[in-house]
Amino acid sequence: DVKVTQSSRYLVKRTGEKVFLECVQDMDHENMFWYRQDPGLGLRLIYFSYDVKMKEKGDIPEGYSVSREKKERFSLILESASTNQTSMYLCASSLTGTHDHTFGSGTRLTVV
Amino acid sequence: DAKTTQPTSMDCAEGRAANLPCNHSTISGNEYVYWYRQIHSQGPQYIIHGLKNNETNEMASLIITEDRKSSTLILPHATLRDTAVYYCIVRERIQGAQKLVFGQGTRLTINP
Repeated sequence: DVKVTQSSRYLVKRTGEKVFLECVQDMDHENMFWYRQDPGLGLRLIYFSYDVKMKEKGDIPEGYSVSREKKERFSLILESASTNQTSMYLCASSLTGTHDHTFGSGTRLTVV
Repeated sequence: DAKTTQPTSMDCAEGRAANLPCNHSTISGNEYVYWYRQIHSQGPQYIIHGLKNNETNEMASLIITEDRKSSTLILPHATLRDTAVYYCIVRERIQGAQKLVFGQGTRLTINP
């Protein structure tokens, strides 16, 4: 089975901290995505990447950056965490030309 | 913006067929219908997709009307583990990374 692994299930950080969320997939997928999920707002795309070192902004990129130095790893970076970035963060990957995304289990981030 | 309309919630008895409707009246000719589900505290999981023909896999069946303006996801023998939020999504199949646009979905509860 395709596995998308997110490094932390729960994370608590302080306002102003730099936060790294890590995502690793083991099926050689070209495409990787970061979404956040909030009650009443559904899933919203933050950033995605279609190749190593390539990145594209999604719908809500402000306050975030990403890094894709290796094909299997896609990192989401909160440069200076704020309380409005408290959310569930979901990583996904897909193979070009196929129909489905595979999601990780999510990281619930709380910024205090 | 999501292009689909789904009921907010539904109930179904364990062992019965669960039929989840989705309206997508503005679907264009090259857009596919996808279904995902999200079990509590997990990432979304791909279920099935279709273009115009009915589709069946080990998880579910997808019935698409002839005019393609609506579809129904059928879980033939629902179990308690099928309790989840079910998302109906329409999008084009194109090469490369393509984001998913999730609406609010249908919260399906399977009752013993």
